[in-house]
Amino acid sequence: SQTIHQWPATLVQPVGSPLSLECTVEGTSNPNLYWYRQAAGRGLQLLFYSVGIGQISSEVPQNLSASRPQDRQFILSSKKLLLSDSGFYLCAWTGAPGLKFFGPGTRLTVL
Amino acid sequence: AQSVTQPDIHITVSEGASLELRCNYSYGATPYLFWYVQSPGQGLQLLLKYFSGDTLVQGIKGFEAEFKRSQSSFNLRKPSVHWSDAAEYFCAVGPPLNDYKLSFGAGTTVTVRA
Repeated sequence: SQTIHQWPATLVQPVGSPLSLECTVEGTSNPNLYWYRQAAGRGLQLLFYSVGIGQISSEVPQNLSASRPQDRQFILSSKKLLLSDSGFYLCAWTGAPGLKFFGPGTRLTVL
Repeated sequence: AQSVTQPDIHITVSEGASLELRCNYSYGATPYLFWYVQSPGQGLQLLLKYFSGDTLVQGIKGFEAEFKRSQSSFNLRKPSVHWSDAAEYFCAVGPPLNDYKLSFGAGTTVTVRA
């Protein structure tokens, strides 16, 4: 069966520091991968999606970036974090159109 | 453009009582519709989905949802709520066969009182 991992589970970072969040999927090949952000009291905002290695589409302009160095690995990065980057970051994958499965999430607090 | 509205930010319900969560969407045709549940500090779990066919769909954990095209709604229901149903619930809508463009509602938090 397919599983999706995210780490770290929680992270506290100072403003201006770099960020790297990792997501890996097991049990499937060539999945579509997604990064979402969930701010307190708000819905999910799609940040990036990827249909293959090295292919990244950005939905929202910001100081975050994403990379897909391997088929089942998706990385969310920032060179300098802002206070507004705080939130809950969710990685997701789809193997079939319309069926999206989410990872456990990373809680990021920027101080 | 598609959009999803969940009118209720927070609902409190007694254990054993029925629950209904509202979801209204805006989309030019019949979209794919989903309900997800998120327990505190966790990722999202798919409860049920509607693609086509029977407008009453059954999901996991005893939940069901009904698609009403005339009302552009996809409300989630459960006849008898358990304390473990306390969570945040998200409705989502997207164009058929295109999961890049899935839009989520802001969510409804459900509190279950004993």
